[in-house]
Amino acid sequence: GDSVTQMEGPVTLSEEAFLTINCTYTATGYPSLFWYVQYPGEGLQLLLKATKADDKGSNKGFEATYRKETTSFHLEKGSVQVSDSAVYFCALRSGGGADGLTFGKGTHLIIQP
Amino acid sequence: GAVVSQHPSWVICKSGTSVKIECRSLDFQATTMFWYRQFPKQSLMLMATSNEGSKATYEQGVEKDKFLINHASLTLSTLTVTSAHPEDSSFYICSADASGQAKNIQYFGAGTRLSVL
Repeated sequence: GDSVTQMEGPVTLSEEAFLTINCTYTATGYPSLFWYVQYPGEGLQLLLKATKADDKGSNKGFEATYRKETTSFHLEKGSVQVSDSAVYFCALRSGGGADGLTFGKGTHLIIQP
Repeated sequence: GAVVSQHPSWVICKSGTSVKIECRSLDFQATTMFWYRQFPKQSLMLMATSNEGSKATYEQGVEKDKFLINHASLTLSTLTVTSAHPEDSSFYICSADASGQAKNIQYFGAGTRLSVL
């Protein structure tokens, strides 16, 4: 079945540091890939997505590129802020968009001033 | 953006009782909603797909008689945990597909923490 593997945290960085959160996946066919973010006390919010190979999703300074050859969708940001502290989930969706999501375990990111 | 409201956010119940969790899409219609379960330090695991006006589709290993799902309208899905036991204690999260809007995006509720004593 489908699966998503992402680096486990917590990941602690200083403000303005470069961020990478690794995500790799296993799926049949051509899934859509997502990064969701969960701030304390809130529901998951879509951060960015990519629906086909070589697509780059971007939002709020975060980027991730759909790499079919390495089955990866790593999340990056050039300069993190304290407000980026949250839990980040990598996820995929197969079945032409009609199915539920398969999630990674989540990565807790802590940004220190 | 689209808002999904989930209620209650936290519930404590005695073993053997039933608990109902509501998931509402506040500003859009959702023909499809999903229910997930998350154990501490684990992934969100899809439990079932809730379709308006029809029976829910359950993932393998999820007891449909224990986790009753009703999706009676385009804005409301409910999950009832029947005869709850301590092993049902978990974090339950719903999501909704925005029908006719941006496809392939799910909007999530804030989750319900269930503690069964």
